[in-house]
Amino acid sequence: GAGVSQSPSNKVTEKGKDVELRCDPISGHTALYWYRQRLGQGLEFLIYFQGNSAPDKSGLPSDRFSAERTGESVSTLTIQRTQQEDSAVYLCASSPGTGGFGYTFGSGTRLTVV
Amino acid sequence: AQSVTQPDIHITVSEGASLELRCNYSYGATPYLFWYVQSPGQGLQLLLKYFSGDTLVQGIKGFEAEFKRSQSSFNLRKPSVHWSDAAEYFCAVGASGKLIFGQGTELSVKP
Repeated sequence: GAGVSQSPSNKVTEKGKDVELRCDPISGHTALYWYRQRLGQGLEFLIYFQGNSAPDKSGLPSDRFSAERTGESVSTLTIQRTQQEDSAVYLCASSPGTGGFGYTFGSGTRLTVV
Repeated sequence: AQSVTQPDIHITVSEGASLELRCNYSYGATPYLFWYVQSPGQGLQLLLKYFSGDTLVQGIKGFEAEFKRSQSSFNLRKPSVHWSDAAEYFCAVGASGKLIFGQGTELSVKP
C-alpha cells in the first residue's frame, strides 16, 4: 500500500483481556518495527523484524507481549492479560531494510485499558 | 548501551525568534542521527538525518542540525520559528538496525 496501515486506530479493553494490534507495512519493505508511546513520553522500542532473520525482541517489556510477522507482510502485536500501564499509543514503522533507516510510521493504535 | 538524551522537556519561544533543541547521544561508533517531528494528531515526520560527511545538515521546513562528535551532540536549529512549528520533537540514533529515540521536547510558540 501507499503507507503503513495500523488497525484498529483506537481500542478500549478491560483489564485482563488480550488484545491484538495489526500493522500492514509498505509493500516491499523488509523491516518492520513496533514502538510504544506512553502519554507525554518518547518512543519506546519493542520489537524489530528484518526479512527472515530472527526478530530483535530486546524491547518487549514482559512475556505478556509478543509479535508475529509472516514473511514480509502483516505483523500482529499481541498483549495478553492487559494491565492499565499498557495504555499507550502503539506505533508501527516499516523500512526498506537497506541500512538507511528510512522509516515510514503508521498513525498508531491508541490502546486504553480500563 | 545506546541512548539519546533530550535535556529540555518543554521549550517556549516567540514567533520569529530563533530555536535550538538539544540532543545528546551515547553510541560507540559513528552514529546515524535523526530528528523527527510529531504534530498533534499527526504521525511522525522525518526532519533531517546525519550519516556522514558535512556535519551541518539541512532538513525540511527550514530546520538544520549540527553534529558535534566532541560533544556527542546533534542539536536542531531554526533561525525563525513559525506558529506552525509547535509540536513534539524527537531526536534518535540508529543502532543495531533500529532507531533509539529520546524522550522528546515539546515546543510551544508564543504569538
